[in-house]
Amino acid sequence: GDSVTQMEGPVTLSEEAFLTINCTYTATGYPSLFWYVQYPGEGLQLLLKATKADDKGSNKGFEATYRKETTSFHLEKGSVQVSDSAVYFCALSSLGGYNKLIFGAGTRLAVHP
Amino acid sequence: DAGVTQSPTHLIKTRGQHVTLRCSPISGHKSVSWYQQVLGQGPQFIFQYYEKEERGRGNFPDRFSARQFPNYSSELNVNALLLGDSALYLCASSLASDGQPQHFGDGTRLSIL
Repeated sequence: GDSVTQMEGPVTLSEEAFLTINCTYTATGYPSLFWYVQYPGEGLQLLLKATKADDKGSNKGFEATYRKETTSFHLEKGSVQVSDSAVYFCALSSLGGYNKLIFGAGTRLAVHP
Repeated sequence: DAGVTQSPTHLIKTRGQHVTLRCSPISGHKSVSWYQQVLGQGPQFIFQYYEKEERGRGNFPDRFSARQFPNYSSELNVNALLLGDSALYLCASSLASDGQPQHFGDGTRLSIL
């Protein structure tokens, strides 16, 4: 079945460092791909999305490119801030006529001043 | 505009009891999905409802049921609660039934004693 694999955390960085969180997926067909962020005590917020191969999603300085050949959707940010500390989830939208998201296990990011 | 709202925010139950969780989608959204997020893991899909009909069901026992009302709000019911049902239950809404980004509420934290 469809699945998403994320790099394990926690990821600990200093402010202004470069961030990469790896995400790979297994799916039949060409699903839409998403990154969600979860701050402590809150639900998930959609960070960015891509719906087809080579699409680049971007938001708030974060970027991710849909790579069909490597089945990857890695999240990057050039300069992280303390306020970016959260748990990041990679997800795919399973095909089949309904809106089922399949999530990775999440990667916790801690940014220190 | 109001986002997805869930109630209650926290709930404590004992084994064997039943529980009803409620969700109001974003205005204009006709699809509601439910997810279970166990501590330290990614959310797992439980149900999707669109236009008051069940469109998808995840790998959860029959103790879990849901419905959607004419105003598109939704309830998740869980009977015969087990310790393993302790989790954050997330509701998400979207415009359509397939392929649209989902917007999450802050969840209901259910603790089973």
